[in-house]
Amino acid sequence: GQQVMQIPQYQHVQEGEDFTTYCNSSTTLSNIQWYKQRPGGHPVFLIQLVKSGEVKKQKRLTFQFGEAKKNSSLHITATQTTDVGTYFCSVAGGTSYGKLTFGQGTILTVHP
Amino acid sequence: DVKVTQSSRYLVKRTGEKVFLECVQDMDHENMFWYRQDPGLGLRLIYFSYDVKMKEKGDIPEGYSVSREKKERFSLILESASTNQTSMYLCASSLDLEGGSYEQYFGPGTRLTVT
Repeated sequence: GQQVMQIPQYQHVQEGEDFTTYCNSSTTLSNIQWYKQRPGGHPVFLIQLVKSGEVKKQKRLTFQFGEAKKNSSLHITATQTTDVGTYFCSVAGGTSYGKLTFGQGTILTVHP
Repeated sequence: DVKVTQSSRYLVKRTGEKVFLECVQDMDHENMFWYRQDPGLGLRLIYFSYDVKMKEKGDIPEGYSVSREKKERFSLILESASTNQTSMYLCASSLDLEGGSYEQYFGPGTRLTVT
């Protein structure tokens, strides 16, 4: 099945600094999703990207899907303490069942 | 709002016990999933179900079985719990929407400790 590698595994930033996590695949992806999991919480869906070169924004979060559809990134501008948590990318398999394969996740710590 | 509930937040069991983890969703979703989450490994799919009584193995099904007798309920069974099954278990559900959103809704998780 499809696999995605997510980097970095950990990221520590000062509040106000920017943050980026990357999701890479050796094969072309038909779609990618991003989830956020707060400490002690469960993953919550953020967004889905399906088009080559697609860019979507949610307030301070910017999501990109690469032109070759083999990578994606999540960028947070001017981090806040509320951004702490683990960010996962995922890709859906080739069936309508919606089976997802998740990356390992990036744990973001924001120091006030 | 979609609600996915799991029977326990914390569970402690002994090696060799049979363990049942229950998951219920209230949005009439066709698909339901069981994951385990371990540090540094992300979420790994154990089993999923796309309809009542239908199930498919995920990436790490060994030592687990599942049951889906009703659309809203998906159970994960550890036939004989072992210490390497100590983990956080997450249930999720999604709509069967070919070509559409693959958004999954997660329950709060069950932290299982096997001693």
